[in-house]
Amino acid sequence: SQQGEEDPQALSIQEGENATMNCSYKTGINNLQWYRQNSGRGLVHLILIRSNEREKHSGRLRVTLDTSKKSSSLLITASRAADTASYFCATAYGNNRLAFGKGNQVVVIP
Amino acid sequence: DVKVTQSSRYLVKRTGEKVFLECVQDMDHENMFWYRQDPGLGLRLIYFSYDVKMKEKGDIPEGYSVSREKKERFSLILESASTNQTSMYLCASSPTGFSSYEQYFGPGTRLTVT
Repeated sequence: SQQGEEDPQALSIQEGENATMNCSYKTGINNLQWYRQNSGRGLVHLILIRSNEREKHSGRLRVTLDTSKKSSSLLITASRAADTASYFCATAYGNNRLAFGKGNQVVVIP
Repeated sequence: DVKVTQSSRYLVKRTGEKVFLECVQDMDHENMFWYRQDPGLGLRLIYFSYDVKMKEKGDIPEGYSVSREKKERFSLILESASTNQTSMYLCASSPTGFSSYEQYFGPGTRLTVT
């Protein structure tokens, strides 16, 4: 199965700074999704970008998708302490399945 | 709001025991999923179900089975628990469609097998 791979694996930033995470994948996708997981909890869906879209915004989140490079990035602007979490990209492929990356740990220092 | 609930947040079982993890969703979703999450390995799909009584193996089905007798409920069964099944187990659901929709996750069950 294909799998997203996030880069970098861990990020520590000051409150107010921007955080950028990247994700690459190997084969064709229907869409790509980003999820957040707070420590010890379930995942929460953040944003979905379809394979024919290049950029999408949701509040302080901006996602880009480059299908020619098989990569996506998630930008969190003006980070807050509450953004401290792990962030996962997931690629959607046949049969409503998702393949998740290993996750990015983001720590926002107040 | 979609709600996915899991029967236990924390569970401790002994090697060889039969373990049932229950998941219930309240949004009439066709698809339900069981993942396990381990440090450094991300989420790995164990089984998923796209309809009542229907199931498909995921990437790591060995040592697990599932049951879906009702649309809202999806159970993961460890027939004979082993220490290497100590993990965080996450249930999720999603509606069906031409391409994948977002998945809604439960809070997770942290299982320890001793």
